[in-house]
Amino acid sequence: NAGVMQNPRHLVRRRGQEARLRCSPMKGHSHVYWYRQLPEEGLKFMVYLQKENIIDESGMPKERFSAEFPKEGPSILRIQQVVRGDSAAYFCASSPYRGGQPQHFGDGTRLSIL
Amino acid sequence: QQQVKQSPQSLIVQKGGISIINCAYENTAFDYFPWYQQFPGKGPALLIAIRPDVSEKKEGRFTISFNKSAKQFSLHIMDSQPGDSATYFCAASIPQGGSEKLVFGKGTKLTVNP
Repeated sequence: NAGVMQNPRHLVRRRGQEARLRCSPMKGHSHVYWYRQLPEEGLKFMVYLQKENIIDESGMPKERFSAEFPKEGPSILRIQQVVRGDSAAYFCASSPYRGGQPQHFGDGTRLSIL
Repeated sequence: QQQVKQSPQSLIVQKGGISIINCAYENTAFDYFPWYQQFPGKGPALLIAIRPDVSEKKEGRFTISFNKSAKQFSLHIMDSQPGDSATYFCAASIPQGGSEKLVFGKGTKLTVNP
């Protein structure tokens, strides 16, 4: 499958736990965007990364959220001490080069906080 | 102002009819306008996209009309089919510091009745 792969597809966490969401971009793509989608809402940009670099984190909440895209392996979106309001679908998209369009999306991770 | 306003919120069309979804924006620095289709439990899939130097783009049954002076663009789905029933999102991107993050509308839920 050459598409954007996200896992897990569903993740359930209790308040206060940590959530780790993974994204493997399309083959040949080295740039990853993360977006969050609340129920009945459009997607909202969170962060843009290339390998080993954060390019734009203007949409990331200031606390508890972090993202990385190491030289080897998938991009990780990490949410510490989760709260009910973090319940959402988290999507990543990849592009082949900096600023490249179109962005190709994965099928997302649905995060539920108990 | 980095917003994209989308209407209507929901749309019901008979099979064979034309579905029209509209979007408006304020920021004239937006330079790329894609439309995405999303089925339940799936990620957004690119349908068609346009740059502001073109007033119309057609791909199969899908057409984007772009009005630069009015800062509006729309998606027309000709000969709508039940399989087109999905949520449609317009978006816009602006090159900013090497990032081309997408700003999404809130979505239109399209139902095509057989």
